[in-house]
Parts: sequence; structure tokens; C-alpha cells
Amino acid sequence: EDQVTQSPEALRLQEGESSSLNCSYTVSGLRGLFWYRQDPGKGPEFLFTLYSAGEEKEKERLKATLTKKESFLHITAPKPEDSATYLCAVQGGGSSNTGKLIFGQGTTLQVKP
Amino acid sequence: DAGVTQSPTHLIKTRGQHVTLRCSPISGHKSVSWYQQVLGQGPQFIFQYYEKEERGRGNFPDRFSARQFPNYSSELNVNALLLGDSALYLCASSPQGFGSEAFFGQGTRLTVV
Repeated sequence: EDQVTQSPEALRLQEGESSSLNCSYTVSGLRGLFWYRQDPGKGPEFLFTLYSAGEEKEKERLKATLTKKESFLHITAPKPEDSATYLCAVQGGGSSNTGKLIFGQGTTLQVKP
Repeated sequence: DAGVTQSPTHLIKTRGQHVTLRCSPISGHKSVSWYQQVLGQGPQFIFQYYEKEERGRGNFPDRFSARQFPNYSSELNVNALLLGDSALYLCASSPQGFGSEAFFGQGTRLTVV
């Protein structure tokens, strides 16, 4: 069964204190791994797509990496405005032609000034 | 360009009632998916429609149904509402049926009392 587990569930950082969020996954035929940012009461905001092991993507203070079993979201010198819940999702293949996303439970990041 | 739009943004219903949620995808996107997100968890897949055909269905009871219209907009219907149906309902649009990122709307907050 396809599954996504994120850790830690919650993370508190001081402004400027770099860290990483982990996303471990089990999926039949990975079509893509997606990172989203979600602010309270709002819909997820797309950040990155990773398709194959070794791939890396960067956007401002965020960098996403992918291996065959997990993905990391590295946050460099975070600012208070980076505070949000970060969601990881996978889309599997197999014999299915569906675009179904399987999400982890998210990591809630709080960055204190 | 307009993003994914959902209506209404908030809704309060009584147990046993029926509800219809609406979604307009990004212009040019042919796939619409619906997700349910309860507090503290990641979104759970309900349905995907691509080119007006159902492409996937999650583990939800038959009280949940959906359809996609010729203009690619979509409706999610839930009959015989239960207290446990209270959640944030998210609509996501994608340009293709699978293999591409999904962009989410702001969601509809449904409260069942």
C-alpha cells in the first residue's frame, strides 16, 4: 500500500536556524513527489515537484531533494514568514492512470524572531 | 491568471442534509480532483475527473459523488451528512490526468451540526 510519513510532526526554529524536514515514502512506480506549503485555513500552495532520485529543486530559502525512499525539504536561514505546515505527497503509477495524491500528515514549522 | 476557485468558502449544515460544493479549475486544466482534510491531517483523496470521466475514487462512502462539466468545472455532492463530514474540502486542478503538479483552491470549510 502506498504510504507517506513526515517527520517531525512539529518543528520550532529560531530565525536564521537552518534545518530539514523529512518525507519517507512507499509507492508503486513513483510518478512524482510534491511539496506544498499550507497556511492555517487555506489550501495547499505548490512548492516543488521531484520526479527521480538525485533530483534537487530550489526556491528562495527552500531546497528539496529526493532519494529512492525519502525526500528532504531543507530550510536555510528561515524567517518568521516561513512558518506554516509543509505537506509532502506522492503520486504512484502501477497500472493506474489516476492522478491521485497520497499525502503525509505534514510538518508544522514555527520560526520565532 | 485566475487560480482554482471554490464556492462557497464556508458552509454550516445540519446532520442528514445534502451539500453541493463547486470548483472552477485553472483555465486550460482538464483534470479536477477533490480532497477532504480534517484538522491536523493531510488531505485525503476523494475523486478525480479528467476530460469529464471519473479517473479515480478514494475510500469514501457512496454518499459522496461528483461530476465534471463540459467547461471542466466540477461539483462534489455529499448526501445524508454526518458530523464526521465536517472538514476542509479542497479542489485541485491539473493540466493532465497524471504526472503533473496539482494546484489547490482555498477550500470550502464545511461544518455539520
